[in-house]
Amino acid sequence: IAGITQAPTSQILAAGRRMTLRCTQDMRHNAMYWYRQDLGLGLRLIHYSNTAGTTGKGEVPDGYSVSRANTDDFPLTLASAVPSQTSVYFCASSREERGENTGELFFGEGSRLTVL
Amino acid sequence: GQNIDQPTEMTATEGAIVQINCTYQTSGFNGLFWYQQHAGEAPTFLSYNVLDGLEEKGRFSSFLSRSKGYSYLLLKELQMKDSASYLCAPMDSNYQLIWGAGTKLIIKP
Repeated sequence: IAGITQAPTSQILAAGRRMTLRCTQDMRHNAMYWYRQDLGLGLRLIHYSNTAGTTGKGEVPDGYSVSRANTDDFPLTLASAVPSQTSVYFCASSREERGENTGELFFGEGSRLTVL
Repeated sequence: GQNIDQPTEMTATEGAIVQINCTYQTSGFNGLFWYQQHAGEAPTFLSYNVLDGLEEKGRFSSFLSRSKGYSYLLLKELQMKDSASYLCAPMDSNYQLIWGAGTKLIIKP
């Protein structure tokens, strides 16, 4: 089934530990995004990548890093997790039309992370 | 700064019509998106407006006024499955979506 796959779907993590959230898409979209969603707040952009080999910082990048070695994969790493990083994390990619980003996002199912 | 305002929660009756309003301020504007998000699930795309006016798609319609920084989502013939959060998201000059906190819509029988 075409779409975006995230792993793990849920994880409990001790503070200070390193964690990588995986994201893979099979739609050949160039643009990919990592968001966090917290109760009462809108989706907040952590990092993005407009194409393989490039990444950019979003609204809340501190404590997170990403890489984009190829078109399909866009992992998000928490180098040393803290309790404030407890959240639901969504990976997304954007459909393009005639090479332009349409803004129509396709989301993964989310990764629920709890940092104790 | 960039800001999105939409009601936190709304309640409506099955079969009725409901309008969810959204006002926004962004650095530049490249269209406005509405997404639906059921509890515990990922958001899914509903509609897109880039020009002023109404876009109709089945039971759902979306309206945009760029001069007023205003949009609404209109849901007709409400069904229980429409119970979800509705996210307003304008696109700024960098082609990034700016997300509102969402409006939780509760449908009652």
